[in-house]
Amino acid sequence: DTGVSQDPRHKITKRGQNVTFRCDPISEHNRLYWYRQTLGQGPEFLTYFQNEAQLEKSRLLSDRFSAERPKGSFSTLEIQRTEQGDSAMYLCASSLNSAWGTEAFFGQGTRLTVV
Amino acid sequence: GQQLNQSPQSMFIQEGEDVSMNCTSSSIFNTWLWYKQDPGEGPVLLIALYKAGELTSNGRLTAQFGITRKDSFLNISASIPSDVGIYFCAGQSLIQGAQKLVFGQGTRLTINP
Repeated sequence: DTGVSQDPRHKITKRGQNVTFRCDPISEHNRLYWYRQTLGQGPEFLTYFQNEAQLEKSRLLSDRFSAERPKGSFSTLEIQRTEQGDSAMYLCASSLNSAWGTEAFFGQGTRLTVV
Repeated sequence: GQQLNQSPQSMFIQEGEDVSMNCTSSSIFNTWLWYKQDPGEGPVLLIALYKAGELTSNGRLTAQFGITRKDSFLNISASIPSDVGIYFCAGQSLIQGAQKLVFGQGTRLTINP
């Protein structure tokens, strides 16, 4: 399978714990995005990388959130001191740099439940 | 928050019927994308639109990029049970940041057998 891969698919954690999610994009894609989706809503943009550079961050990304893409390939999203409001589906997407626009392909997501 | 208005929020139809949904924005987009999402899964890209007025088909799906660049619609013809799911429009704006996609709230499609 050469699509976007996310790990884990599900994560249950206690409030206050740290969690880390991993995303492996489509291999030739240089752009990688993180989105958050809550029940009944569309995905909301968190941050995006072009190669290893983090070029844009949403105001939704509080100081407890950090994302990295150290070698321009896979990416990690860490949430420190989790809160119940962090419970959501975290989606990763990747795309090719294109003058036309963005065809972003999503992974299956990581569903986080903070108890 | 969300800046795309997607309608209707939900649809209940009979198998075999045609479906139409649309998305509008207060700002101009230079790319419109349509996705389908099944429960517990990530969105799957259906159609991408890059030019105002563009009409693109993918099997039974047809989507158009509005002339004003502020709207798009998706039609599904002769619906079948596997069309059930949530459909999202997404736009990429030259003004709001060239790289991120902004999503609508989704249209939930339910098909009665």
